[in-house]
Amino acid sequence: GNSVTQMEGPVTLSEEAFLTINCTYTATGYPSLFWYVQYPGEGLQLLLKATKADDKGSNKGFEATYRKETTSFHLEKGSVQVSDSAVYFCALGGSSGGSYIPTFGRGTSLIVHP
Amino acid sequence: EAQVTQNPRYLITVTGKKLTVTCSQNMNHEYMSWYRQDPGLGLRQIYYSMNVEVTDKGDVPEGYKVSRKEKRNFPLILESPSPNQTSLYFCASSPQGQGNQPQHFGDGTRLSIL
Repeated sequence: GNSVTQMEGPVTLSEEAFLTINCTYTATGYPSLFWYVQYPGEGLQLLLKATKADDKGSNKGFEATYRKETTSFHLEKGSVQVSDSAVYFCALGGSSGGSYIPTFGRGTSLIVHP
Repeated sequence: EAQVTQNPRYLITVTGKKLTVTCSQNMNHEYMSWYRQDPGLGLRQIYYSMNVEVTDKGDVPEGYKVSRKEKRNFPLILESPSPNQTSLYFCASSPQGQGNQPQHFGDGTRLSIL
């Protein structure tokens, strides 16, 4: 079946540092890939997505490129802020027998210090 | 405002006392889903519904029931709650449950079963 593997956290950075959160996946076919962000006390919200190989999703300074050859979708940001402190989930949107079967990674906590 | 609304947000109850967590969306989405989030395990899908009167099991359906009598509502029912169902629960929806569509999440319901 499908699976998503994210780097374990927490990731602790100083403000303005460069961020990378690794995400790799296994799936049949070519699913869409997503990054969601969860701020404390809130639900998940879509951060960015990519629907086919070599697509780059971007939002709020975050970027991720759909790499079919390495089955990866790593999240990057050039300069993090304290307000970026949250839990980040990598996910893929698979399907099976006509049903939508999303798969989430375990989440990576990011802590940014001033 | 487009949103997914869950109630209650917090609940402490005792083993065996039936409870229902409501979920409602105002976006006319066909697909709805329930997840539980546990430390170190990420999000795991409990049940999902591709449309009205169509529901199916996710990865961890044991001890839960759902119904989808109308498009906007998708309640989660715990007939006889047990302590291992203490968790943070999220309801989510998407337009047609297709793999390239992101999900919209509620703010979560934190259940404590004593």
